[in-house]
Amino acid sequence: DQQVKQNSPSLSVQEGRISILNCDYTNSMFDYFLWYKKYPAEGPTFLISISSIKDKNEDGRFTVFLNKSAKHLSLHIVPSQPGDSAVYFCAASGGAAGNKLTFGGGTRVLVKP
Amino acid sequence: DGGITQSPKYLFRKEGQNVTLSCEQNLNHDAMYWYRQDPGQGLRLIYYSQIVNDFQKGDIAEGYSVSREKKESFPLTVTSAQKNPTAFYLCASSISSYHEQFFGPGTRLTVL
Repeated sequence: DQQVKQNSPSLSVQEGRISILNCDYTNSMFDYFLWYKKYPAEGPTFLISISSIKDKNEDGRFTVFLNKSAKHLSLHIVPSQPGDSAVYFCAASGGAAGNKLTFGGGTRVLVKP
Repeated sequence: DGGITQSPKYLFRKEGQNVTLSCEQNLNHDAMYWYRQDPGQGLRLIYYSQIVNDFQKGDIAEGYSVSREKKESFPLTVTSAQKNPTAFYLCASSISSYHEQFFGPGTRLTVL
């Protein structure tokens, strides 16, 4: 049972435009959500997080939106840059899972110059 | 320079051999984690430790073992009981289990 899903395995976007990555979850007890970026053969790097008490968190070019009623979060990257080309994972924690992170399957982003 | 180190980056072993993957951190983090990533998939939790001398099974602990004798070190042993050990293994740490996790560079294990 996949509790965190990223339904788009890949995304292609033109440099300078907005990248929107989506993530859905099924466990209503999750209360903390994170986005990680991963380059091939490297460990993921933390990008941005959001607590369930908020519906938006912004850090530079990255904004995460949380819609608790829809159990959906999204990551917006604007403007997209070629260096943003990577795999992005969303993760969630809370409830019976405690503080263990449950990861989605990832979305591969390609930013074309 | 603070961080998490994993060694080696690439590891080859024959089927039936146990192998131990190293993970060291100098961030003074209490919590440490081991994940496995398979091609095209997300990260799955193998084991985690919230404090020295204590660890818990994650979602896919079968065929793996860990120890946490020192705060800085959390080695993972892939035993011969692990049916499909070839994968990319990632170690992570966090200040506590309530904070975001920081990852090491990973070890790619190939069992021949």
